[in-house]
Formats: sequence, structure tokens, C-alpha cells
Amino acid sequence: KNQVEQSPQSLIILEGKNCTLQCNYTVSPFSNLRWYKQDTGRGPVSLTIMTFSENTKSNGRYTATLDADTKQSSLHITASQLSDSASYICVVKSPRGGANNLFFGTGTRLTVIP
Amino acid sequence: KAGVTQTPRYLIKTRGQQVTLSCSPISGHRSVSWYQQTPGQGLQFLFEYFSETQRNKGNFPGRFSGRQFSNSRSEMNVSTLELGDSALYLCASSLGGTEHNEQFFGPGTRLTVL
Repeated sequence: KNQVEQSPQSLIILEGKNCTLQCNYTVSPFSNLRWYKQDTGRGPVSLTIMTFSENTKSNGRYTATLDADTKQSSLHITASQLSDSASYICVVKSPRGGANNLFFGTGTRLTVIP
Repeated sequence: KAGVTQTPRYLIKTRGQQVTLSCSPISGHRSVSWYQQTPGQGLQFLFEYFSETQRNKGNFPGRFSGRQFSNSRSEMNVSTLELGDSALYLCASSLGGTEHNEQFFGPGTRLTVL
């Protein structure tokens, strides 16, 4: 069964600290993996996308890694800011089909406190 | 370029009523997908429209339906509302061509069923 699991479910960190969010998936075959950031009351916004051959992708203070062999990805946030408080969603795409071949994790709720 | 817009942003209905939600995609995007997001389930795929045709469908009952117009704008209808339909309904648009097309999400419509 194609699944995407994220951990932890929620996380509270102090402003300025680093954190790492995890995403494990069983989706096969694999096309790409995206990390989205979703602010409260807003739609998700793409942070990074990685294909099978990529193992690291950065977007400012956000760095995503992918190990396609173990089917694991992580999102590392450096020097966190209050504006990083949001839900982070991992989405894995299978190559066949359209939007119905996107598999969503339930997200990690990150809260950054001063 | 304007982003994806959804109307209304908030809606309160009672059980048994029906509701229509609207989504205007980014100009030039031909694919529109609809998702239901609840705290426990994460994002659940409802359906995808491409060039006025439903291209893919998720596992939702027939009470959930949609359509797409020639200008790519899309509407989603839910009939005979149930309490469990309370959720954030997100619309996402993409060019709709290759498998790496990024989806751009709208801000969502928050539906509350009383």
C-alpha cells in the first residue's frame, strides 16, 4: 500500500534553533518528492522538489534530503524564525496518472517560540 | 501573475443543505484539482479536471461532484451535507502536462456544517 508517514506530528523549538522533520514513504514506483509549507488558514506552498537522482536540495534556510534506497526524506530548518511556524507536508508522486497519484503525509506542525 | 483564488473563504451550512465552492486557477493552467483537508486525515484527493473533463477521481461518495468551464475555472458541489464534511477544501492548479508540473494551491474554503 502506498503510504507517506511523517514524524514528529508536532514540534516546538526556540527561535534560532535548528530542527529536522522526517518523511518515510512506501510509494512505488517513485517519481518525485515535494515538501510543502502550509501557514495556518492558507494553502500549501512548495519548498523543494527532488527526483530519484537528487539527494539534497536547498531553498534558503530549508534543506531537504532524499535517500531513495531507504525511501526516506528529511527537511532541515536552520536558524529557525517565528515565521517558520507552520505545518510541513511531505508529498510523494508516482509517475503514472495525474493528481490521484500524489500521496500526502499528514504533516508536522512546527511551532517556533521566542 | 495572480495566484489561485477560491471563493468563498468561509462558509457555514447545516446538515442536508448543499454547497458550491469556486476556484479560479492561475492564468494558463489547465488542470484543477480539489482536496479535502481535515486535522486527522491530512489532504485527501477529491478529483482533478483538465480541459473541462474529469481526469482523475478519488474515493469520495457521489455527493461530491465538480465541473470545469472553458476558461479553466472550476466549481465543486457537495449535496446533502453531513457533519463530517466540515473541512478545509483546497483547490490546486497546474499546467497539467508533465509529471513534474508543480501544483499551486489556493487559500482554501473553510466549510463548517452544523
